[in-house]
Amino acid sequence: QITLKESGPALVKPTQTLTLTCSFSGFSITATGAGVGWIRQPPGEALEWLALIYWDDDKRYSPSLKNRLTISKDTSKNQVVLTMTNVDPVDTATYYCAHSGVSGHDFWGQGTLVTVSS
Amino acid sequence: IQLTQSPSFLSASVGDRVTITCRASQGISSYLAWYQQKPGKAPKLLIYAASSLQNGVPSRFSGSGSGTEFTLTISSLQPEDFATYYCEQVKSFPLTFGGGTKVEI
Repeated sequence: QITLKESGPALVKPTQTLTLTCSFSGFSITATGAGVGWIRQPPGEALEWLALIYWDDDKRYSPSLKNRLTISKDTSKNQVVLTMTNVDPVDTATYYCAHSGVSGHDFWGQGTLVTVSS
Repeated sequence: IQLTQSPSFLSASVGDRVTITCRASQGISSYLAWYQQKPGKAPKLLIYAASSLQNGVPSRFSGSGSGTEFTLTISSLQPEDFATYYCEQVKSFPLTFGGGTKVEI
């Protein structure tokens, strides 16, 4: 059974760096084809894809946020970490991590709400 | 690749046949997924590869299309189907989602 869970701060001040951790079980991030992605959703708005990391350490980013995002994995801990620099109130959203494959995102975490406010 | 869903809102009754459309700004073959999201919950994968039903998803859900035009059909709407539905293209990066279709009573 694949499960994922996001963790991180609920409140971040503008200009700070946000670090989110996705802890997963039920699959290996080193298995060929495996990937973990991050998707966010501002309150009342649509889903927005942010980044994805593959088993071979290939990393992909949203062009609109690429300069602010870094995705990495810790295979020993079964974790994927997303950092976002210089956050702004428009970055207030629920952030999801998901198991990602060629067919889409088949397993999702419960999401974590991050509010950016001074 | 931009995805445009229509309609944005849909009012329907239990038992109705419901169709949601997703149009891509360029051809994506069959690299399209559909998700259902209920308030306060994570999205749930319903359909992948445009027409393949994800394990455990009721057969009243079906997907069709290829290239630039896709549809999600619910053959007989059930009370638990009232939710927001999103399409996503997985043909090329950056991955993109449609704007969503809210299905209301």
